Amino acid sequence: GAVVSQHPSRVICKSGTSVKIECRSLDFQATTMFWYRQFPKQSLMLMATSNEGSKATYEQGVEKDKFLINHASLTLSTLTVTSAHPEDSSFYICSASGGTSYEQYFGPGTRLTVT
Amino acid sequence: GESVGLHLPTLSVQEGDNSIINCAYSNSASDYFIWYKQESGKGPQFIIDIRSNMDKRQGQRVTVLLNKTVKHLSLQIAATQPGDSAVYFCAENFNDYKLSFGAGTTVTVRA
Repeated sequence: GAVVSQHPSRVICKSGTSVKIECRSLDFQATTMFWYRQFPKQSLMLMATSNEGSKATYEQGVEKDKFLINHASLTLSTLTVTSAHPEDSSFYICSASGGTSYEQYFGPGTRLTVT
Repeated sequence: GESVGLHLPTLSVQEGDNSIINCAYSNSASDYFIWYKQESGKGPQFIIDIRSNMDKRQGQRVTVLLNKTVKHLSLQIAATQPGDSAVYFCAENFNDYKLSFGAGTTVTVRA
């Protein structure tokens, strides 16, 4: 149980375009989803927290107009990187929580490369 | 083998030996701690967790120790196997359900 999927697993896009990444909880209802960014050989950095049906809460330094997060249902959250630039190239990881415990279930990650 | 978290981010250990991975956490108010394993190109995988009202918890081949006095967390892996090669992160709960991750320790198991 507690499986989280992400799609796509890898994406390459041109500078200036937008990319959408999906995060799905497959076998439980995720009241809260989290989006992280991980640069090579670095730790996971929390970008934002989203609760179903409400606006995401962004961490300091994360541009909410650049990283659009939608959590429209209890099983799906999306992260859209708008007007992507090469410095946005990173590994994006989502996690989901059922809300009754602190445990987060992580997705497999999405490798974004902006050329 | 033993790591000292941020100062020694890599740990090389002989197969069959025990590994100790250390982590210094930042927030004395944190009440929940987790160890994750991350293999290359994959998301973090839950290993074991511990709440702040405990100082030790054991799982299958793993033990987590928590010392709140010095804000230190360690993960012990018994009889380390090649499949244990990965990056290991400690994480602390510091605000609602948010997690703050440590820098990570790369464990390499020598055959």
